[in-house]
Amino acid sequence: QVQLQESGPGLVKPSQTLSLTCTVSGGSISSGDHYWSWIRQPPGKGLEWIGYIYYSGSTYYNPSLKSRLSISLDTSRNQFSLRLSSVTAADTAVYYCARGKKVQLWSAIFDNWGQGTLVTVSS
Amino acid sequence: DIQMTQSPSSLSASVGDRVTITCRASQGISNFLAWYQQKPGKVPKLLIYAASTLQSGVPSRFSGSGSGTDFTLTISSLQPEDVATYYCQKYDSAPPTFGQGTKVEIK
Repeated sequence: QVQLQESGPGLVKPSQTLSLTCTVSGGSISSGDHYWSWIRQPPGKGLEWIGYIYYSGSTYYNPSLKSRLSISLDTSRNQFSLRLSSVTAADTAVYYCARGKKVQLWSAIFDNWGQGTLVTVSS
Repeated sequence: DIQMTQSPSSLSASVGDRVTITCRASQGISNFLAWYQQKPGKVPKLLIYAASTLQSGVPSRFSGSGSGTDFTLTISSLQPEDVATYYCQKYDSAPPTFGQGTKVEIK
């Protein structure tokens, strides 16, 4: 049973960089069948997809976040990471990492989610 | 980008009622449509994919239908444990987009 767990600071100052890591256990991040994903949910609001990374290191980002976003992976540690720069209060959200079951190119259904971590942007 | 619109935004129904939620895509997406259930304070859970295929372990009172632009999620007999917000998600191509959610409560 694959499990995902987010880790990182719960509080980030405005204009700084938000950094989170997702540790995958019970399965390999080097699986060619999956896109490893970040999804966020502002308090009381809906779900917003942030981006994908494939085991090859290829990425696809939400166009609305692309200029501030970087997703990377560390296959030796079975982890993938999110960096979002120049954050504002609008970036306050629960951040989930999720496993996307690959359907076709850059297309996935999210069949396994981490527990989520709340990141607050505030001075 | 394709937009996903759910209706209603919220509903209240009695235990045992049949409940239907609609999701409409701004362009055709074939059957590349998934539904998720998010119980209060919990993680979203995949219910249905390919518009009508139940994820393993999901009760048979849940069903999905539709193709192209119009989709529905039906709960045939609402149970107290079905209180949740339900989201549709299109995955025909990137970016994957979620609907705004439908909150289901018990009357």
